[in-house]
Amino acid sequence: DTEVTQTPKHLVMGMTNKKSLKCEQHMGHRAMYWYKQKAKKPPELMFVYSYEKLSINESVPSRFSPECPNSSLLNLHLHALQPEDSALYLCASSQDPTSGEMADTQYFGPGTRLTVL
Amino acid sequence: AQKVTQAQTEISVVEKEDVTLDCVYETRDTTYYLFWYKQPPSGELVFLIRRNSFDEQNEISGRYSWNFQKSTSSFNFTITASQVVDSAVYFCALSRYNTDKLIFGTGTRLQVFP
Repeated sequence: DTEVTQTPKHLVMGMTNKKSLKCEQHMGHRAMYWYKQKAKKPPELMFVYSYEKLSINESVPSRFSPECPNSSLLNLHLHALQPEDSALYLCASSQDPTSGEMADTQYFGPGTRLTVL
Repeated sequence: AQKVTQAQTEISVVEKEDVTLDCVYETRDTTYYLFWYKQPPSGELVFLIRRNSFDEQNEISGRYSWNFQKSTSSFNFTITASQVVDSAVYFCALSRYNTDKLIFGTGTRLQVFP
């Protein structure tokens, strides 16, 4: 079962709000990812967690704060966002980032459509 | 440098037509991986196929087929007898050996009209 779930589906927030996006997978995957996707553009990698540790931060502004409480859960905490942060936020997971033999397939969730007013 | 080019921004076809989506990649690596993902209007990226650089066999899965040619650095995707449900944005992506990063092309929007 290749299922990654994300909540909420839609989120509208003001620039002074604090909110969180949640991602969950029960496939036993050990790597989890956050992507940001603007309209008519490909996804852009934001963060990668490998075995619950942050392994990649693509120079993302500090108003985005990721958290990986356990191997199944990934959160993205949002604070003081700007209207240009409005986008589709996608979570993904892959099996074993340290396999060394082949790049693991990333499986994506349905995304959270974020609007910042 | 790694790069993926999907020159076709948008393709429109009528149902039952065959359609080919082009993907050209650039890499100096000898070991790499290529992917195709489908993104319907709902937003979820759906994994379609992964191919490693040592496996040049073409693959067929139902109405879908993929043509991998290292000589031309291409990994093209053909949908046979297209259906309205095939309407989506299709992304080709490249990954280097032992990395977590997917390098996406800009995507091709396919519209299939009844």
